[in-house]
Amino acid sequence: DAGVIQSPRHEVTEMGQEVTLRCKPISGHNSLFWYRQTMMRGLELLIYFNNNVPIDDSGMPEDRFSAKMPNASFSTLKIQPSEPRDSAVYFCASSLGLAGVNEQYFGPGTRLTVT
Amino acid sequence: AQSVAQPEDQVNVAEGNPLTVKCTYSVSGNPYLFWYVQYPNRGLQFLLKYITGDNLVKGSYGFEAEFNKSQTSFHLKKPSALVSDSALYFCAVRDEPSDYKLSFGAGTTVTVRA
Repeated sequence: DAGVIQSPRHEVTEMGQEVTLRCKPISGHNSLFWYRQTMMRGLELLIYFNNNVPIDDSGMPEDRFSAKMPNASFSTLKIQPSEPRDSAVYFCASSLGLAGVNEQYFGPGTRLTVT
Repeated sequence: AQSVAQPEDQVNVAEGNPLTVKCTYSVSGNPYLFWYVQYPNRGLQFLLKYITGDNLVKGSYGFEAEFNKSQTSFHLKKPSALVSDSALYFCAVRDEPSDYKLSFGAGTTVTVRA
């Protein structure tokens, strides 16, 4: 099993540019999560999908952030326009069933730097 | 709201010595507790969980954790630490009433010296 796949691994962009992060969850997993990790705020849940449907996007910081899951094997997190304060490591994780009971499998993350 | 606290930012131990990483929790119902480990430039990896049953939970890489209801603690332990155990460790609790959301602690950096 390849695990959760994320791309790109590193992204450096200028303020105002659009950024798209990609995630391929583990095959068969029906729950998908996007997290953001920073030194100041730790690990924050941005959005949760279940069976490709967004269930909870209360953690999405602003309208500049959007996420989609067009099918069970692909999800994107888009930031438009990007700002320096968006610099962080973004993780995608997937889980089989309920993440509150079952473990989540994390991807390697995308390190985003906005200058 | 549920929460976890990891009172130590850093833990330093010598290789071969016991390792303990502390975690206390606050929940209104039954606690669902997890430990994850993060190695440099990697995503979090699941170590173990407590849902119900025996208070001593065994997990990956020789780690175990003891659930203590009276002390509201879920400390992670390893009898003999390895240099390769050096990493960032996170305790997490299910954030009720959500059935999917986890609240993560701030993390504890473990350094095992040879």
